[in-house]
Amino acid sequence: GESVGLHLPTLSVQEGDNSIINCAYSNSASDYFIWYKQESGKGPQFIIDIRSNMDKRQGQRVTVLLNKTVKHLSLQIAATQPGDSAVYFCAETGFGANSKLTFGKGITLSVRP
Amino acid sequence: NAGVTQTPKFQVLKTGQSMTLQCAQDMNHNSMYWYRQDPGMGLRLIYYSASEGTTDKGEVPNGYNVSRLNKREFSLRLESAAPSQTSVYFCASSESPRGSPLHFGNGTRLTVT
Repeated sequence: GESVGLHLPTLSVQEGDNSIINCAYSNSASDYFIWYKQESGKGPQFIIDIRSNMDKRQGQRVTVLLNKTVKHLSLQIAATQPGDSAVYFCAETGFGANSKLTFGKGITLSVRP
Repeated sequence: NAGVTQTPKFQVLKTGQSMTLQCAQDMNHNSMYWYRQDPGMGLRLIYYSASEGTTDKGEVPNGYNVSRLNKREFSLRLESAAPSQTSVYFCASSESPRGSPLHFGNGTRLTVT
């Protein structure tokens, strides 16, 4: 069936550097995408979303890029901080009546001091 | 504004016992969801309620029942717990069933022995 996946299970970055977390999706009908951050012992926390009519969207220190041609989504975190250490995962859905959010399995971001 | 509140935070059950996981949201959201999160499996949808008065099965509904008590509250019941139901359970809510981000509680960690 359709699925959302992440390229790498772990990512280690130096504090202050920029982080890029990638996600591939397989459902060409997907038109709404979300990035979540999950800290240990907590629930997933909404970071940023993007709809398929956009290629880029920026938030505070985060940018999401969507490439529909290759079905690729990325999350860029500027000036990565220790507090950014967490599991990140993408999710996607379509706008069809029966579409439900499909989550990737997650990637761990580790920030080195 | 507490967001999504889940109780209890931790629970240990013996096989065959029953219990109800409680969830309440104070964001006036229409839609509510129950997910389970297992290592290597990501978040999987158990049941959801697109709006008050409706409930539908998700990806893994077997062994569970739900009740949308009112707009704020959505409970998940395990009638006869099994070790395979050992997991972390997350409740979430969203403004609408499509095209809006889910907001999650901090989870209930359930162990069935």
